[in-house]
Amino acid sequence: AQSVTQLDSHVSVSEGTPVLLRCNYSSSYSPSLFWYVQHPNKGLQLLLKYTSAATLVKGINGFEAEFKKSETSFHLTKPSAHMSDAAEYFCVVSDNGGYSTLTFGKGTMLLVSP
Amino acid sequence: NAGVMQNPRHLVRRRGQEARLRCSPMKGHSHVYWYRQLPEEGLKFMVYLQKENIIDESGMPKERFSAEFPKEGPSILRIQQVVRGDSAAYFCASSPHPDSYEQYFGPGTRLTVT
Repeated sequence: AQSVTQLDSHVSVSEGTPVLLRCNYSSSYSPSLFWYVQHPNKGLQLLLKYTSAATLVKGINGFEAEFKKSETSFHLTKPSAHMSDAAEYFCVVSDNGGYSTLTFGKGTMLLVSP
Repeated sequence: NAGVMQNPRHLVRRRGQEARLRCSPMKGHSHVYWYRQLPEEGLKFMVYLQKENIIDESGMPKERFSAEFPKEGPSILRIQQVVRGDSAAYFCASSPHPDSYEQYFGPGTRLTVT
């Protein structure tokens, strides 16, 4: 069984300051991990993915995440927040056991103030 | 190359009516996944289909819900005798093959049951 815990339901930052969205996972197999972003009333867009290659993964829009097996974490970071980053972010895990069904965290709403 | 298409984008049904949600996968994709997003929740897996086959329906409610992906045409998620608790956003995703851990999401259908 696999599960994802996003530790914060809301994160508030000021524009230009760093962003940290926390995610812990559990998985029976070697997992693939993803971060998706959802803007209001829009679909989901893939930010980045980890699939057992480099542990530091770079994604779109300046986001990156580091896979830490010892801590079972996959936190999302960005050095400097932009107003357009305000959205909901989902950490997602997929077991590498055949076909992949995705298990989503409950989401973290990122609020960016000027 | 058009992305995953879902229609309608918004659907309002009265209690007891039927809801039919459509999903056209990306060109060349023959694997379709349906997810449901309840308010304040992450997405929950419902069903995984290949052309003319249901592969995994472990996330589908036992009654009133059904899904199909015919040889021709879009995938359909059908909810019979809708109740207020069915109000949610329903997302479809597609992938080109089963061990592709990256799924491409549509914009979702927001179902409101009055």
